[in-house]
Amino acid sequence: DQQVKQNSPSLSVQEGRISILNCDYTNSMFDYFLWYKKYPAEGPTFLISISSIKDKNEDGRFTVFLNKSAKHLSLHIVPSQPGDSAVYFCAASLYGGATNKLIFGTGTLLAVQP
Amino acid sequence: DVKVTQSSRYLVKRTGEKVFLECVQDMDHENMFWYRQDPGLGLRLIYFSYDVKMKEKGDIPEGYSVSREKKERFSLILESASTNQTSMYLCASGPGQGRGGREKLFFGSGTQLSVL
Repeated sequence: DQQVKQNSPSLSVQEGRISILNCDYTNSMFDYFLWYKKYPAEGPTFLISISSIKDKNEDGRFTVFLNKSAKHLSLHIVPSQPGDSAVYFCAASLYGGATNKLIFGTGTLLAVQP
Repeated sequence: DVKVTQSSRYLVKRTGEKVFLECVQDMDHENMFWYRQDPGLGLRLIYFSYDVKMKEKGDIPEGYSVSREKKERFSLILESASTNQTSMYLCASGPGQGRGGREKLFFGSGTQLSVL
């Protein structure tokens, strides 16, 4: 049962335009959300996060929006650059006893065309 | 610079073999994790550890075990490798509950395991 879903396996965007990557979750106990970026042959790297007490967090070209009632978050990249081409994973944090564990989505492959 | 090192980049093993995947972190992190990445399934948590000699099952622990004898090292063991364990294995570490609480994980580059 996939608790964190990214329904678009891929997305293609022109350089300079906005990229919007979407993520839905089913467990209302998730209280912290993160986005990771993964290039081929490398491990994922942290991009941006948001706590469930906020509905928006911004870091440079990257903004994450959280809609708790819809159990939906999105990552906006403005403007998109060719170097942003990667697989993007959203992840949700669930307190699991002594520590938190992250539940990842299936990923969206973003291709930014020059 | 923070570093999570996985011992092998590529590994080819035969069905039934015992396989060890090693991971070392140099950040004094309390938490360590093993994930596998498969197309269309994303990253799935196999096991994690929040302290030396402590371990907890993730979402897909069947067929795997782990060992954490030292804080910096977390090993994933495939007791008897099978073809459905062919995958990209990713190790990660995180600072732990006492240091911010919300996990920002640092990943290794991954081990692509092929079981023939």
